[in-house]
Amino acid sequence: DGGITQSPKYLFRKEGQNVTLSCEQNLNHDAMYWYRQDPGQGLRLIYYSQIVNDFQKGDIAEGYSVSREKKESFPLTVTSAQKNPTAFYLCASSKSLDTGVAYGYTFGSGTRLTVV
Amino acid sequence: AQKVTQAQTEISVVEKEDVTLDCVYETRDTTYYLFWYKQPPSGELVFLIRRNSFDEQNEISGRYSWNFQKSTSSFNFTITASQVVDSAVYFCALSEARPGYSTLTFGKGTMLLVSP
Repeated sequence: DGGITQSPKYLFRKEGQNVTLSCEQNLNHDAMYWYRQDPGQGLRLIYYSQIVNDFQKGDIAEGYSVSREKKESFPLTVTSAQKNPTAFYLCASSKSLDTGVAYGYTFGSGTRLTVV
Repeated sequence: AQKVTQAQTEISVVEKEDVTLDCVYETRDTTYYLFWYKQPPSGELVFLIRRNSFDEQNEISGRYSWNFQKSTSSFNFTITASQVVDSAVYFCALSEARPGYSTLTFGKGTMLLVSP
């Protein structure tokens, strides 16, 4: 079955460490996204990518970095510069953004990151 | 800039009651898309519906129905005869339909608790 796989499900980070969250999709979707979810805050866009080797900052990109070397993969690195990284992180994908049609997103099951 | 407001933070109902979740949006575009997603306790967001700005017909899918009114910029979601399995956080989202750029902006969500 096609879908999005996020790993790990739970991640613990020490202060000052960088950690990388994995996101893989086999839906042949062109676009991929990272959202952060905090209690009572809804989902906020961190980064998104429309094609391989290209990505754009979202609303809260500071302290995060991404790469898109393969169509199927869009890993997110939470750097030590992110002051409050404890949150639930959701990866999503959708069909191409180039048509002017907004397609629904398919979401992964999320990674819960906690700073210890 | 686009914005989605879900004024109801939490709603509690007893099984078999009808419940309406409100969604109000802001956008300057004439062409846009509205979405509803369900987030059960497992964390993964599940797509429920997509509606474009030119289609104001109400839609019904089983116990779910959606009321889209451009005059009031609202896209409300009603669950008829609620069930315990409907307990989840529900998100309304908006996307402008421009080629090459159509990320989703989410509301903060409404937590629905259905008790037996």
